[in-house]
Amino acid sequence: QQPVQSPQAVILREGEDAVINCSSSKALYSVHWYRQKHGEAPVFLMILLKGGEQKGHEKISASFNEKKQQSSLYLTASQLSYSGTYFCGTANNNAGNMLTFGGGTRLMVKP
Amino acid sequence: SAVISQKPSRDICQRGTSLTIQCQVDSQVTMMFWYRQQPGQSLTLIATANQGSEATYESGFVIDKFPISRPNLTFSTLTVSNMSPEDSSIYLCSVDSDRVSRETQYFGPGTRLLVL
Repeated sequence: QQPVQSPQAVILREGEDAVINCSSSKALYSVHWYRQKHGEAPVFLMILLKGGEQKGHEKISASFNEKKQQSSLYLTASQLSYSGTYFCGTANNNAGNMLTFGGGTRLMVKP
Repeated sequence: SAVISQKPSRDICQRGTSLTIQCQVDSQVTMMFWYRQQPGQSLTLIATANQGSEATYESGFVIDKFPISRPNLTFSTLTVSNMSPEDSSIYLCSVDSDRVSRETQYFGPGTRLLVL
């Protein structure tokens, strides 16, 4: 079943903060966050693993609450380059990285 | 991360015809996946391309419509058969991040398909 993302869309001014949430009805092993700009492929941002380990490539943070089967992506002091659609992908086990993606959150950062 | 290329990058096709999309990776990977992304929508997994065996299809997708090949650890093809306008979409391949750790997936640039 597809994880649920909220909000569906958000508009920010440069420098403002945003939080994107991802909830699953199933127990999660890992949560993977991607950003996709219009006309481009999704780009990997961060993975959060069961047990609290967090790995990422950019100055964007995230949390993973295994009990609540939720993850949140925190975008602080947003930049124009943060604009795009953010997807969470969830894996229910560590066998093969089968990801199920949420519906996406469209983020627009304005000057 | 692996460098992934897809061909063609875009195509316009007539209904009833078939199109084969290629996905090439610059390093050996264990898992290759094919996704469909309809305009403004999320990513839907079509199938997992298994090297040396038949692909594993997700619910709603069948081999006759989306035959997949995986002849080696760096290459896969997806064919969209007997196309209809409903097949207009972006088709993306993705691969394991690393053959050993396989932590996440990286996506190719996608193939934009329009069926008239």
